Amino acid sequence: DTAVSQTPKYLVTQMGNDKSIKCEQNLGHDTMYWYKQDSKKFLKIMFSYNNKELIINETVPNRFSPKSPDKAHLNLHINSLELGDSAVYFCASSQGVILAGYTQYFGPGTRLTVL
Amino acid sequence: QKEVEQNSGPLSVPEGAIASLNCTYSDRGSQSFFWYRQYSGKSPELIMSIYSNGDKEDGRFTAQLNKASQYVSLLIRDSQPSDSATYLCAVNPSNTGKLIFGQGTTLQVKP
Repeated sequence: DTAVSQTPKYLVTQMGNDKSIKCEQNLGHDTMYWYKQDSKKFLKIMFSYNNKELIINETVPNRFSPKSPDKAHLNLHINSLELGDSAVYFCASSQGVILAGYTQYFGPGTRLTVL
Repeated sequence: QKEVEQNSGPLSVPEGAIASLNCTYSDRGSQSFFWYRQYSGKSPELIMSIYSNGDKEDGRFTAQLNKASQYVSLLIRDSQPSDSATYLCAVNPSNTGKLIFGQGTTLQVKP
């Protein structure tokens, strides 16, 4: 069974479009995250939700809006896509917030290409 | 100064050798340290976590932490070609709920 799943796996779109990436975890975890990994493989946190509440909001353009309809789902909507948004976006989850030392488990990633 | 620094490599070792991967971090109050392995085109997977000074061993892997020097390392004994991947060091800075990742070290194990 897939623990953390993301859809779609690949996303190719034109500049200016709006797109969404969905994430689901079946681990019963309370905390979920979105990360961006750029072309140099640098992995950087964007957002984190704990029990559907936003707890981390890094310096990310407000074109990016996360939404957590329930504990098991965390979606990422991106408006007015730009070339620089091209990256691999990873969803992750952990039993609790990382402060308590919980391990993060990553989804397979969504490769976004903006043309 | 970057918050978490790693040498990007590539680090090339022969099969059977010990691979030594290093990481330094800037936040002296950091409490939790992690090593993730990422194969090309795949997601990061946790190899080791370490929270206190000293060594922690798990199979062929040993994590070493020295908080005074703000240094964490990963040793891979008896390296195998299947260990060829990018190794990401991650640190939980003090009083934050997030992980900060280094840029990763690419390891190549040659048969």
